[in-house]
Formats: sequence, structure tokens, C-alpha cells
Amino acid sequence: GAVVSQHPSWVICKSGTSVKIECRSLDFQATTMFWYRQFPKQSLMLMATSNEGSKATYEQGVEKDKFLINHASLTLSTLTVTSAHPEDSSFYICSARQRGSGGVRAQYFGPGTRLLVL
Amino acid sequence: DAKTTQPTSMDCAEGRAANLPCNHSTISGNEYVYWYRQIHSQGPQYIIHGLKNNETNEMASLIITEDRKSSTLILPHATLRDTAVYYCIVRPPRGQETSGSRLTFGEGTQLTVNP
Repeated sequence: GAVVSQHPSWVICKSGTSVKIECRSLDFQATTMFWYRQFPKQSLMLMATSNEGSKATYEQGVEKDKFLINHASLTLSTLTVTSAHPEDSSFYICSARQRGSGGVRAQYFGPGTRLLVL
Repeated sequence: DAKTTQPTSMDCAEGRAANLPCNHSTISGNEYVYWYRQIHSQGPQYIIHGLKNNETNEMASLIITEDRKSSTLILPHATLRDTAVYYCIVRPPRGQETSGSRLTFGEGTQLTVNP
């Protein structure tokens, strides 16, 4: 199946700094990418949906100025956690939907990025 | 999208079949049942999906009741590597989503395969 990569796989940063996470679709074009967050022992929670070339749509309760999403190309989306605080420590997972396919099966997940804010 | 209910956890012996139930009593006629799983510290992985008929692929089988109010995911010969959280998700087909094209995850079932 199609492959989605994330970089970095884990990151530790100091409180107040910004962290950028990259999500790439390696062998397909993704018109839509999704960002999820998962806290320990909890399910995935959708943060935002981004379409290539347009502004991201954020879920209720997710601060768009804190979690900056850029989807500049059909194979790359980035999530920047600005002024990170310890409560932002979480497992961040991206997902990419294959261009030209609308079925759920065509949505592929990355391996996740573990963020620890000290 | 229809809500699903799954047991919090299940255990299974290695080599035996693992049967994971899911209730979706409010499912609409055009909504599909999807199963994903998430191995610890990894991204979710697609397993199988179905509408009315039973489905089988290289990973699992999906049995949907005639009234479609529940389904069962079957891993015929569970291995230790099948230990994961299994998510049952109900969604309308393409073009009929009211909540966009995103997947919404519930709590899932933690399946533990024991040696």
C-alpha cells in the first residue's frame, strides 16, 4: 500500500520553543491530509484537515494559531506547534488521502511523532 | 456518523481465532463498517471494510449481521504481533459524508494475544 512518512519520529524540546513536524506521502499524491493527536491510553483525536493550497480546517477546541498547518504541495504537510508547553506533549499522527480516491480505504496513516515538552 | 460500541479489552491465545465484536445499532443503510488497528506507538493500519456481505482478505474476515446492527472482526490464527487496539468505524460512502472525509476514532478494543 501507499506509504506515509513523518519526521521526526520523536522530539524533545524546551517549553516555549516551536516544533515542526513533517508529513510526506512517499509514492502518491495527497490532496487532503489530516492531523491527529493521541494522549496516552486514549484514542486518536482529529485536530485539523488540510487541503493542498488552502487553509486548514480546525476541529472545535483546537487553536489554529498554536498549531500551524501548511499543506504547500501534494506530498507534504507540516504541523508546527508554536510556543510548546508540557501539556502539548503527545503522539501526533498524520494521515493522507490519495488523490482521485474518495473511499476511506484510500486514507493512509503515518507512523506518528512523539513530542515531549520539558 | 453512526456511533459504535466495542468491548474495552479482550484476550486471545496465540494460534486461536480472535473474534472482536462491534455494535452499531444506529447504522444507516448506506453506511460502511471499517476496521483499523493500532499497534502500540504506531499509526493506525487499515484492516477491512464491508457494507452488507461478509468480507475476507489476507488479514481478516468481517461478519456483518443481517440487520447490520453489529459486526465481528475475525483474525483466524492470532499471533503475538496482532496485539493492538482495534477500531470499528462506521461511515457513509463517498459523496455522502456530512462530516467531511475524515475518520473518527472511538475507544476501540485492546486485543492482547497471549503465548
